[in-house]
Amino acid sequence: KNQVEQSPQSLIILEGKNCTLQCNYTVSPFSNLRWYKQDTGRGPVSLTIMTFSENTKSNGRYTATLDADTKQSSLHITASQLSDSASYICVVSGNDYKLSFGAGTTVTVRA
Amino acid sequence: DADVTQTPRNRITKTGKRIMLECSQTKGHDRMYWYRQDPGLGLRLIYYSFDVKDINKGEISDGYSVSRQAQAKFSLSLESAIPNQTALYFCATSVGGQGANNEQFFGPGTRLTVL
Repeated sequence: KNQVEQSPQSLIILEGKNCTLQCNYTVSPFSNLRWYKQDTGRGPVSLTIMTFSENTKSNGRYTATLDADTKQSSLHITASQLSDSASYICVVSGNDYKLSFGAGTTVTVRA
Repeated sequence: DADVTQTPRNRITKTGKRIMLECSQTKGHDRMYWYRQDPGLGLRLIYYSFDVKDINKGEISDGYSVSRQAQAKFSLSLESAIPNQTALYFCATSVGGQGANNEQFFGPGTRLTVL
């Protein structure tokens, strides 16, 4: 069964600090991996996408990495802001439509 | 998010009632999906449709049905709601295809509570 495991389940950081979220997956075949941000009361929104041949992708203060050999990805948030408080979901695609979702990491940024 | 809308945003109902959740999109995408989200779990696919005449079951379709009335509209029905269908429901759309084209765009969600 295709699985996506995220850690930690939740974390609290102070504004301005950095943090890193982890994602391990067993999805096969592998097409791409996305990180989505889900604000409270909103639907998920894609932050980054990486294919097999890419090992890093940035979107502003968000940097995602991918190690397709070990099937691991991380999302690094630099200089966190209060607006970064959200759930971050790792989503792995094995074919053109079916997505496997992690349970998400809830990030709380405190002033 | 404004391109994919869901109604209602919140609904409280009683066990045994029939409920319909509606989804509309202005993105012009052919593919539409219904998911449910439960605390501590990833989103799970209920049904999906690749065009108006195409309906497919996802991993948790029991107790649900769908209707694709037009390219832009995809509704989800609970024929006889039960408490374990209490969840956050999301509609999504996509262009289809590999790579960047399989990005799914989500609506704002419907919070359903079954008492």
